[in-house]
Amino acid sequence: DGGITQSPKYLFRKEGQNVTLSCEQNLNHDAMYWYRQDPGQGLRLIYYSQIVNDFQKGDIAEGYSVSREKKESFPLTVTSAQKNPTAFYLCASTRTSGNYEQYFGPGTRLTVT
Amino acid sequence: AQSVTQLGSHVSVSEGALVLLRCNYSSSVPPYLFWYVQYPNQGLQLLLKYTSAATLVKGINGFEAEFKKSETSFHLTKPSAHMSDAAEYFCAVNLKGSSNTGKLIFGQGTTLQVKP
Repeated sequence: DGGITQSPKYLFRKEGQNVTLSCEQNLNHDAMYWYRQDPGQGLRLIYYSQIVNDFQKGDIAEGYSVSREKKESFPLTVTSAQKNPTAFYLCASTRTSGNYEQYFGPGTRLTVT
Repeated sequence: AQSVTQLGSHVSVSEGALVLLRCNYSSSVPPYLFWYVQYPNQGLQLLLKYTSAATLVKGINGFEAEFKKSETSFHLTKPSAHMSDAAEYFCAVNLKGSSNTGKLIFGQGTTLQVKP
C-alpha cells in the first residue's frame, strides 16, 4: 500500500543534542512538507520541498534543517538551536498539480528534557 | 493573503445530535478547501475536499460540507454524532493557479467532544 512512514513514533532526547526525524513516501509525490503541532496552535509549517535538491523555509524554520536528496525521503533535523523542540511533528506529501490534497504520515512525538 | 478561521476551538454534542463545525476562509481567488480529522497521537486523515465541482461535498464517515462563496464558508456537518467522531478537525485552504506551491493554510482546529 502507498503511504507515508515516519519513524520513530516516540523519540526522547537530552537538551543540546541534534535529532533527525525520518519521513519516507512511496506515493511518487514531488512535494513534501514538515509541520509542527503544539496544543491549541494547529499546524505550523517548518520546511517544504517541491523537488529533489531544493527546499524552502516555512513559517517557523529557525532551529531546524532538512535535506531532499531523494524524491522519497525528506528528513528533518531538530538542532540544539531550537529553543522549544518538544512537540508532535507531522510529515506530508502531495502532487504538484491537481488539487494539492496533502497526505500525512502518523507523526513523531519528540520529547526533549 | 489567505487565512482560515475555525469558529470554536471546542464543540460538544450529544451522541445522535447534529454536528456543525464552522470554517470561514479569506482568499482573493476561489480556493481548494479541505477538512481533515485527527485522532489522538495520529496523523491527519482527509474527510472531504472541495475542488470547484459540486458545492455540497460528501466525505467519509457520514460527513459533508457545503461551499458557500457568498459567505466564504465551508462548514462541516454530520446529521447524527457517534462516539467515534470525537477527534480534532482541521479546515484547510489552498489557492489555485500557476504559483501554487501546494502549501495548505490550516485553521487552528476544533476539538469535537461527543457525550453519551
